[in-house]
Amino acid sequence: ETGVTQTPRHLVMGMTNKKSLKCEQHLGHNAMYWYKQSAKKPLELMFVYNFKEQTENNSVPSRFSPECPNSSHLFLHLHTLQPEDSALYLCASSPYLTNSNQPQHFGDGTRLSIL
Amino acid sequence: SQQGEEDPQALSIQEGENATMNCSYKTSINNLQWYRQNSGRGLVHLILIRSNEREKHSGRLRVTLDTSKKSSSLLITASRAADTASYFCATGHLVGGAQKLVFGQGTRLTINP
Repeated sequence: ETGVTQTPRHLVMGMTNKKSLKCEQHLGHNAMYWYKQSAKKPLELMFVYNFKEQTENNSVPSRFSPECPNSSHLFLHLHTLQPEDSALYLCASSPYLTNSNQPQHFGDGTRLSIL
Repeated sequence: SQQGEEDPQALSIQEGENATMNCSYKTSINNLQWYRQNSGRGLVHLILIRSNEREKHSGRLRVTLDTSKKSSSLLITASRAADTASYFCATGHLVGGAQKLVFGQGTRLTINP
């Protein structure tokens, strides 16, 4: 149990579907992150939220739409995805965004497959 | 690029042996972190070493940091089958007042019984 829970663990969807990924952290952290992990590529930071406010969008296509209703929950809404979007999507949290000397806590990810 | 680069990309050793993985980076850092990822799971934080530290220990793990060479190493002593996983280094930066981690591609470690 990492304290960060992601659902669903696996998702298969067509390119025209709309789905959402959910992340919930029980650690009392204030910063939350979405990462994309593709085969043979380094982990890519997608979005950063601090106290519910988006602080970074790392040039992510608009077909990915994040939502952070409170500091404990983070969503990634998916629409009209492409085959190259198939990857493991990881959510992470950390206590404070402005403290650089702290680890991030990761969920187990959602394995997304686009047909 | 700020990315950490791990070396080797894959490592296979016998149980009980020591495993050493290296990480190099290109820009100044606030800290360097090592994470482990088991197949199908998320990343688990192992150890964080600050830029003003040279060595850190945690159980069977030993991490060194040489900021003059922009490199770090992770040593796992007396390896066990359960240590089989991918290991990632991540450089920690403060960008615009916000923490940012930049990950390498990882080393795939296999411990043979």
